[in-house]
Parts: sequence; C-alpha cells; structure tokens
Amino acid sequence: EAGVTQFPSHSVIEKGQTVTLRCDPISGHDNLYWYRRVMGKEIKFLLHFVKESKQDESGMPNNRFLAERTGGTYSTLKVQPAELEDSGVYFCASSPTQGGYGYTFGSGTRLTVV
Amino acid sequence: GQQLNQSPQSMFIQEGEDVSMNCTSSSIFNTWLWYKQDPGEGPVLLIALYKAGELTSNGRLTAQFGITRKDSFLNISASIPSDVGIYFCAGQLGSGYALNFGKGTSLLVTP
Repeated sequence: EAGVTQFPSHSVIEKGQTVTLRCDPISGHDNLYWYRRVMGKEIKFLLHFVKESKQDESGMPNNRFLAERTGGTYSTLKVQPAELEDSGVYFCASSPTQGGYGYTFGSGTRLTVV
Repeated sequence: GQQLNQSPQSMFIQEGEDVSMNCTSSSIFNTWLWYKQDPGEGPVLLIALYKAGELTSNGRLTAQFGITRKDSFLNISASIPSDVGIYFCAGQLGSGYALNFGKGTSLLVTP
C-alpha cells in the first residue's frame, strides 16, 4: 500500500508569492489532516478533513491559508500571499474512517519564504 | 490546542546507554502516542497507549500512560546509532481528534 505522498518536498518562494502544497492520502482513508512544524517548535495542527468536508479548521493561522479536498481524495493547501513566518515543514496525515489513532504521516513539504 | 511539555529537549549519549524522556500536560488525554522523526521524513508511530497506567513495549522501547492521564514517558534501552532522530510525544482526546504534540526530544547516539 502506498503511503501518504506530499508534493513538493521543498519549496523556496519570495514573500508575497503564492505556494500550493499537495497531499495524496492513503487510498480509502477518509480522514486527512494538515500539520505544520516551525523550526524548534512543536508540530501544530492546522485542519482536519473527513472526505471533502472540513471537520475542524481551528488551527489555520489566518485567511492567507486555504485548504481544499475536492472529491474527497487529494488535498491542497494554498498560502497566498506567503509571509516569512509561514516558513516551516508542512505535514499531511491520513487515517481510515474507523480507528483514527496515530495516523500515517507523509514526509512533509519544507517551505522557506525569503 | 493544549500545550505539552516534553523533556529533555536534546540528549547526547553513547551507544548502549538507556534513554528516558517524558511528556506532561495540564489537560487530560485519552490516548498518548510516541513518534520518531528521521531527517527528511514524517513522524512514524512507535507506541500508542490507550489506558491510564498502561505500560507497553515495542522491542527496546517501553512507554507508559500516566495514572493521572496527564503524562507519559518513553524509555529506550541499550541505544544504538539508528535510534538517532527526534522523538515526539502526542496526546489525543479520542479517535479522529487532532494530535497535540510536544516540542520533541532530539537524540544523538555516538558509537
């Protein structure tokens, strides 16, 4: 079974530009999560999809961040316009409908805003 | 989300030594999880704990879910160089809920 796939693995953009991160969850997993780790800090929750619906988006920092999961398969996280403090590693994770403990994480996208 | 205090922040040990790290929270969790992150990879689940007082082992790793449900520890026995990485604790209120992570313990093991 393929794991959680994230693209790109690295992205360096200038402040003010737009970046879109993509996550392909494990096939059949209804739950999809986005997390972010800023250097030296804890991994923080951003939001949770159940299929195509946003179950919990309480962790989204501000309205410059937009997450979508059309069709309930892959998800995108767009940052527009990017700011310096958006730099960090963005992780996606997925879990099946039942038993959502300790879900599977992707390798992350390292975003650097300069 | 709730803040978890994880310590130590980093450890530098010799191969063969035992390692202990812990996590505390001001809030109760119903599940405690321990993850390891290798460079360039995402966190990988090591151990999941579901009941207060539970003690679970996975090879050389042992973790416990505190009786108060506000803390957990992870022990690694007889460390080896491939144990190098960042270890994260995480608390979860229930199935499907978001994970609340600690800041991580960076472990370095010298041969």
